[in-house]
Amino acid sequence: DTEVTQTPKHLVMGMTNKKSLKCEQHMGHRAMYWYKQKAKKPPELMFVYSYEKLSINESVPSRFSPECPNSSLLNLHLHALQPEDSALYLCASSPRTSGSADTQYFGPGTRLTVL
Amino acid sequence: RKEVEQDPGPFNVPEGATVAFNCTYSNSASQSFFWYRQDCRKEPKLLMSVYSSGNEDGRFTAQLNRASQYISLLIRDSKLSDSATYLCVVKPVTDSWGKFQFGAGTQVVVTP
Repeated sequence: DTEVTQTPKHLVMGMTNKKSLKCEQHMGHRAMYWYKQKAKKPPELMFVYSYEKLSINESVPSRFSPECPNSSLLNLHLHALQPEDSALYLCASSPRTSGSADTQYFGPGTRLTVL
Repeated sequence: RKEVEQDPGPFNVPEGATVAFNCTYSNSASQSFFWYRQDCRKEPKLLMSVYSSGNEDGRFTAQLNRASQYISLLIRDSKLSDSATYLCVVKPVTDSWGKFQFGAGTQVVVTP
């Protein structure tokens, strides 16, 4: 089973709202990722958690706040977003091993619209 | 220069034909290579990892050329369902672990 689940599938929020995106995997993967993807562009890395610790923050604005409560769950807390933050937010996980075994698997994404 | 480059296409392919396209990468010490396909408004899905000796999965064949720093994907007997964007992904060496590098994608359109 290579399933990564994400909720919600769609989210519409105002610029003053606070919302959270959730991601879950039960593959025993020790690395989890948040990506942002705009139309006709490749996914853009935001954060990486390795063994439940934040290992990479790609200079993401503080209005995005990641959280990894345990090895299976990853959240992305959103606050005071801008319309330009509207995008598909993808969660991914990988085993956190060397070589080609460290393959990423993506969730279906949350399509976010900021009004 | 981008770290991973792909011809954006679109590659317009008649059903049943063969199509091939490449992806070049700049870091000669890159560790692992993957092809993903992405349908419109969906998530990327792993198509295949690319091994040094080349590998095949049904109608799909992937090759790695380390000397020239590119990987390729060949699709034989194209189906309408092969229409998608194909993303080349490269895993760098361990000092930048976690930063899988994505190409911009190659769009393939299979026509009846």
